[in-house]
Amino acid sequence: QKEVEQDPGPLSVPEGAIVSLNCTYSNSAFQYFMWYRQYSRKGPELLMYTYSSGNKEDGRFTAQVDKSSKYISLFIRDSQPSDSATYLCAIGSGSEKLVFGKGTKLTVNP
Amino acid sequence: EAGVTQFPSHSVIEKGQTVTLRCDPISGHDNLYWYRRVMGKEIKFLLHFVKESKQDESGMPNNRFLAERTGGTYSTLKVQPAELEDSGVYFCASSYRQGAFGETQYFGPGTRLLVL
Repeated sequence: QKEVEQDPGPLSVPEGAIVSLNCTYSNSAFQYFMWYRQYSRKGPELLMYTYSSGNKEDGRFTAQVDKSSKYISLFIRDSQPSDSATYLCAIGSGSEKLVFGKGTKLTVNP
Repeated sequence: EAGVTQFPSHSVIEKGQTVTLRCDPISGHDNLYWYRRVMGKEIKFLLHFVKESKQDESGMPNNRFLAERTGGTYSTLKVQPAELEDSGVYFCASSYRQGAFGETQYFGPGTRLLVL
């Protein structure tokens, strides 16, 4: 079983839609949870970061963690064409290496 | 402030040749990481430097890969001899403090390596 599972998509939505991206993980030792955004030919860029179960909001983005279910989500409200990118969940534990999901490619159509 | 830089951006080599990738972390960052994404797979950890010391090299695939970090500044990752399965995108990341729980890792743009 992979440590982190993420549906690679692709996902295509119209502008203004609410987008839901999800990952599941297997190791309960994971303690911090991140979402990175990666534009084509660029490196991953940190979007959201949380330690605990619950919701964290930043503008149009909400990160949700459910440690009991080992499930993390990223919601994008009022999606824009500029949100078109690959979204990667990344999870860490006490060691500093990150474990990534495969990434979900999102296209927001004008 | 300059971000993490990597050189070259692309490299195409033949099987059996040697390639050296370079990463310059953000100035002042003690931690430097190498990751790799093979086509169709997730980004995977290779190794972690704290200053000039290897903290964790558990992700290095085999002894054809050699990473160094001279004087705790830039790092190089050498692949010798390169094999077809080494093709992929090699990312470097850096973060500020050792041991700081969940310190943010800033990624470079990657080096795209193609072994023919």
